[in-house]
Amino acid sequence: GQQLNQSPQSMFIQEGEDVSMNCTSSSIFNTWLWYKQDPGEGPVLLIALYKAGELTSNGRLTAQFGITRKDSFLNISASIPSDVGIYFCAGQGSGGGSNYKLTFGKGTLLTVNP
Amino acid sequence: DSGVTQTPKHLITATGQRVTLRCSPRSGDLSVYWYQQSLDQGLQFLIQYYNGEERAKGNILERFSAQQFPDLHSELNLSSLELGDSALYFCASSGRGPSSPKQFFGPGTRLTVL
Repeated sequence: GQQLNQSPQSMFIQEGEDVSMNCTSSSIFNTWLWYKQDPGEGPVLLIALYKAGELTSNGRLTAQFGITRKDSFLNISASIPSDVGIYFCAGQGSGGGSNYKLTFGKGTLLTVNP
Repeated sequence: DSGVTQTPKHLITATGQRVTLRCSPRSGDLSVYWYQQSLDQGLQFLIQYYNGEERAKGNILERFSAQQFPDLHSELNLSSLELGDSALYFCASSGRGPSSPKQFFGPGTRLTVL
């Protein structure tokens, strides 16, 4: 089945630093999404990407849909303490049935030191 | 607040028991998805319902079943519970199309099997 490799697994940074994380897939996706999950809460949608090469921003967050359609990147600029959490990438395939389901990466745990 | 509600928030039960988790999607959303999140497996897709019909199946055990009712709320039934079923269970909903990729997650139900 489809698998997503998300890296890094965890990051520990200082407030104000920029952060980059990425996901790579063994197969092509038609849509990439990025979510953030706080402890004990459900994932919250941050950014959705629909086209290869697309670059989309949401405040200090910028995400890109890779040209090969097998990867995606998320950057956070000027990190602040409330950026702490687990960031997940998710991809959606193009076929019918279960191919429309989202496949999630294992997450990147971000810790921001004030 | 995503607009997706889940009850109960926490559930503690014993092995061999049966429980029912409930989800109400965002107003207007026709698709409901169920996910299981455990520490070692990450977010795993279980099943999708669209407008009352099963749409896609993921890694759902035969001991688990779900349904979506005419008012679009959904229930996930877990039976013959085992210790390994302890996890966070999330419901997500998405818009009018069965393949709409933007899924909005509820706050989750934490299931503990003793």
